[in-house]
Amino acid sequence: AQSVTQPDIHITVSEGASLELRCNYSYGATPYLFWYVQSPGQGLQLLLKYFSGDTLVQGIKGFEAEFKRSQSSFNLRKPSVHWSDAAEYFCAVGANQAGTALIFGKGTTLSVSS
Amino acid sequence: DGGITQSPKYLFRKEGQNVTLSCEQNLNHDAMYWYRQDPGQGLRLIYYSQIVNDFQKGDIAEGYSVSREKKESFPLTVTSAQKNPTAFYLCASSIQITNYGYTFGSGTRLTVV
Repeated sequence: AQSVTQPDIHITVSEGASLELRCNYSYGATPYLFWYVQSPGQGLQLLLKYFSGDTLVQGIKGFEAEFKRSQSSFNLRKPSVHWSDAAEYFCAVGANQAGTALIFGKGTTLSVSS
Repeated sequence: DGGITQSPKYLFRKEGQNVTLSCEQNLNHDAMYWYRQDPGQGLRLIYYSQIVNDFQKGDIAEGYSVSREKKESFPLTVTSAQKNPTAFYLCASSIQITNYGYTFGSGTRLTVV
């Protein structure tokens, strides 16, 4: 069965420091992978997505993620965190297959300290 | 501007009552989805619809019902059979079910009083 694991429930990073949020997936075929961000009480916004091709993908707000098939991972990175990046981040997996919807991880809450 | 509108933003329900959450999109998307969000649980799929008059159960469909009579609308009814309905409910849509550029609404927070 498809699944997504985000090992870190909560991470605190100093403003200006680099960030890496971990995501591991379990899927039988090549997955489609996504990162979404959610501010409190709001819907989710798509940060970036991987379908195929270059394994390093760039997203909005200066985020990037790298697909590593050998490690079944799709970690999200940002070189310098801003206070406005504090939010909850969700990794999700999907498939190019009719009748399937996205499966989300449980999320990682990012706090930014000054 | 195109988008998804969920209403109401906050909803209170007495035990034993059915309530309906509204989700409307003007993006001309074929596929629509309902997710439930609980603290520490991420998003769990309730129902989804690929086309009008067709929908499928997700992982936690028990105690919920949906309809898809119009392309633009995908209302979710939380029935009295749902034992723990207090949660944040998110509606989303995409061009097709295999196009995962989901657009999310801003959510409805349902509380049982």
